[in-house]
Amino acid sequence: KAGVTQTPRYLIKTRGQQVTLSCSPISGHRSVSWYQQTPGQGLQFLFEYFSETQRNKGNFPGRFSGRQFSNSRSEMNVSTLELGDSALYLCASSLRQGSMNTEAFFGQGTRLTVV
Amino acid sequence: DAKTTQPNSMESNEEEPVHLPCNHSTISGTDYIHWYRQLPSQGPEYVIHGLTSNVNNRMASLAIAEDRKSSTLILHRATLRDAAVYYCILIIQGAQKLVFGQGTRLTINP
Repeated sequence: KAGVTQTPRYLIKTRGQQVTLSCSPISGHRSVSWYQQTPGQGLQFLFEYFSETQRNKGNFPGRFSGRQFSNSRSEMNVSTLELGDSALYLCASSLRQGSMNTEAFFGQGTRLTVV
Repeated sequence: DAKTTQPNSMESNEEEPVHLPCNHSTISGTDYIHWYRQLPSQGPEYVIHGLTSNVNNRMASLAIAEDRKSSTLILHRATLRDAAVYYCILIIQGAQKLVFGQGTRLTINP
């Protein structure tokens, strides 16, 4: 069973540009969450998508957005990049069946560097 | 979001048991206790979770205090591959939002 796949693995962008990151969840998983990891702030929740709808959102500015497609694949977009957006962006997928708490499976992340 | 408190770092020896504590005094009745770990250069990895009763799986055991204000992750025989940052997280029933704290950096000595 393939794991969570994130592309690209590494990315370098210039301040002011925008970027799109992709996440393919484990087959059968319908929930996809995104996290940002930086040395200063640690791991922070960005948002969660389930059945193509955003269900939860963290405390990030509107420059951070996402979407989920009918095949559960998800994309995350950051517009008007700032130096502080340099981070490891992690995607996690889970079954999310009703009220059951299920484990999340993380990808290896996309390392974004803004210069 | 309910908060957890963990020691910044702990050290143990290979093949010895490791007890990683977590305090969560503001836990509510429907919050699940989850543990994840992050090995160097990898995404977090699920370890175990529980609600009220102690839990065991192939990776670890989770001991939950009777008042649920604290819990302990137990690695029965640590190996060098268990060196990682361990996160104790509270999750509201049905939610899929993980709120990570700073975690405990576990060092295993050969």
